[in-house]
Amino acid sequence: QKEVEQNSGPLSVPEGAIASLNCTYSDRVSQSFFWYRQYSGKSPELIMSIYSNGDKEDGRFTAQLNKASQYVSLLIRDSQPSDSATYLCAVNFLDNYGQNFVFGPGTRLSVLP
Amino acid sequence: IAGITQAPTSQILAAGRRMTLRCTQDMRHNAMYWYRQDLGLGLRLIHYSNTAGTTGKGEVPDGYSVSRANTDDFPLTLASAVPSQTSVYFCASSDGGLVAFFGQGTRLTVV
Repeated sequence: QKEVEQNSGPLSVPEGAIASLNCTYSDRVSQSFFWYRQYSGKSPELIMSIYSNGDKEDGRFTAQLNKASQYVSLLIRDSQPSDSATYLCAVNFLDNYGQNFVFGPGTRLSVLP
Repeated sequence: IAGITQAPTSQILAAGRRMTLRCTQDMRHNAMYWYRQDLGLGLRLIHYSNTAGTTGKGEVPDGYSVSRANTDDFPLTLASAVPSQTSVYFCASSDGGLVAFFGQGTRLTVV
């Protein structure tokens, strides 16, 4: 059973602070990792992808991957109230039928003005 | 159409009834997926299709069936709905292994 785990939150941070979201996964052969943002009542939207160990930065977002520890994180710098949403971690794996994705339960982030 | 379109957006369904949720994409993505999202459980894969003509079972396939007659369409059928199938259903597509696009979702209530 391939699993992706996240703290459900809510994680509350003040406006302007750094929000740190964490994700662990159980399948050692997974190669692709994604962060999605989902606003209440809306569909998930992709915000970051990462494939190699280390950091990947995109604007205020930084994804960090450590395959040895099976750990992925998302940092949001200068957090804004508009960042308040649920953040879903997703891991890609390859099986007999092709590529598939497993999602974590999501972490709810609340940025307080 | 731009992206993925799901229909209906919401539905109340009597238990025991048959229902098909529709999903159409215009991006020519090879892979398509159906997920259900329940509070506290996140997105769980029901069925998927990596290319037209092929389908596979995901984590929670029981009570659901799919078909993939062409690249664009991937309908999900509930043969005999039960209350535990009350959920929000998302269709998604990908090209090259990146699940980049989700439909707007279908909110289904089985009573």
